[in-house]
Amino acid sequence: NAGVTQTPKFQVLKTGQSMTLQCAQDMNHNSMYWYRQDPGMGLRLIYYSASEGTTDKGEVPNGYNVSRLNKREFSLRLESAAPSQTSVYFCASSDGLAGTDTQYFGPGTRLTVL
Amino acid sequence: GENVEQHPSTLSVQEGDSAVIKCTYSDSASNYFPWYKQELGKGPQLIIDIRSNVGEKKDQRIAVTLNKTAKHFSLHITETQPEDSAVYFCAANKALYGQNFVFGPGTRLSVLP
Repeated sequence: NAGVTQTPKFQVLKTGQSMTLQCAQDMNHNSMYWYRQDPGMGLRLIYYSASEGTTDKGEVPNGYNVSRLNKREFSLRLESAAPSQTSVYFCASSDGLAGTDTQYFGPGTRLTVL
Repeated sequence: GENVEQHPSTLSVQEGDSAVIKCTYSDSASNYFPWYKQELGKGPQLIIDIRSNVGEKKDQRIAVTLNKTAKHFSLHITETQPEDSAVYFCAANKALYGQNFVFGPGTRLSVLP
């Protein structure tokens, strides 16, 4: 039982390049999330997927797109990377969107945009 | 929407001493408050949580207290050990954007041997 896995662990991009961050969970969770973590700012929600086939914007969605490929997988795409997107990205999953559903986090992807 | 503040941003304690981290929230409708621990190079991991119908919850060396009137909650770690060194995040539910939680900015705890 691997929990939440993310690939890659590290990535360096040049401004304007595109890339997709992959996330998968094996806990049969319905809901999945993408966060970014910047120093002193905690975790900020980029996008989330309440269930397979649905996605919704979070607090900071500009510059990103997501795809809920199936129940297990939720990808985050940067179409044209910018230095402001340098951050650590975390994927998480939970049983549902209920206010007491625990979120389980992956190990993160450290992205640097030059 | 919910807003969560967390203090202090950094905390250093001697091994064996206690550590306290405090969070305040703004939305009186929030009713669930988890705490996450993030070790270096890893994702956040839930360590304890509390619901609004209780004032305190304890799990071995860690405890969380909640004051609904004042809208603040605190994490208490007793008999700290070097492995307690990490970044701790508090969170509150009833977020604006439909996700479960809004997170505080984090506290970096260092336990000095």
